[in-house]
Amino acid sequence: DAGVIQSPRHEVTEMGQEVTLRCKPISGHNSLFWYRQTMMRGLELLIYFNNNVPIDDSGMPEDRFSAKMPNASFSTLKIQPSEPRDSAVYFCASMAYINEQFFGPGTRLTVL
Amino acid sequence: GENVEQHPSTLSVQEGDSAVIKCTYSDSASNYFPWYKQELGKRPQLIIDIRSNVGEKKDQRIAVTLNKTAKHFSLHITETQPEDSAVYFCAASSAAGNKLTFGGGTRVLVKP
Repeated sequence: DAGVIQSPRHEVTEMGQEVTLRCKPISGHNSLFWYRQTMMRGLELLIYFNNNVPIDDSGMPEDRFSAKMPNASFSTLKIQPSEPRDSAVYFCASMAYINEQFFGPGTRLTVL
Repeated sequence: GENVEQHPSTLSVQEGDSAVIKCTYSDSASNYFPWYKQELGKRPQLIIDIRSNVGEKKDQRIAVTLNKTAKHFSLHITETQPEDSAVYFCAASSAAGNKLTFGGGTRVLVKP
């Protein structure tokens, strides 16, 4: 198995632009998590899905952020419009039932 | 919701010495406590975990202890090596077992 796949690995964009981050979880995993990591705030859970259904989005910073999981093998995190304070590393992780969360390699986002 | 505190934030040890990282949690219903290691520029990876029905678990040079009464758990690394240098995160899961709340991280530096 290739593990959790994220794309792009690096994204540089200008303030106001739309950003879409993509994640492919490990096949057979039924939970998917989006995290944001910064030096100031550490590792924060943004949203997670069970069986493609959003369960807890209380960590989503504001309405500019949205996440979807149209099927068991794909999820997106969208930021529109992006702001410099959104610059961070965004991790996707997947999990099979109550077990270890496997993290993807992350997307390093820079908003100028 | 769950709150996880982690100490110390940085830890410098001499190669061969032991390192201890401590975490406390707030939700007495939490029952799963993983530890992740994150090397510079890499993804967090699980190194050891413990569930609430166990007081201690060991894997080679790494051990974790759990005190549910006091709501704290600790990571012990013995005979530290330079490759142990990384940021270590503790976490606690909700009773439902899916959502992880992470501590703030401990940056461990092992000096040769």
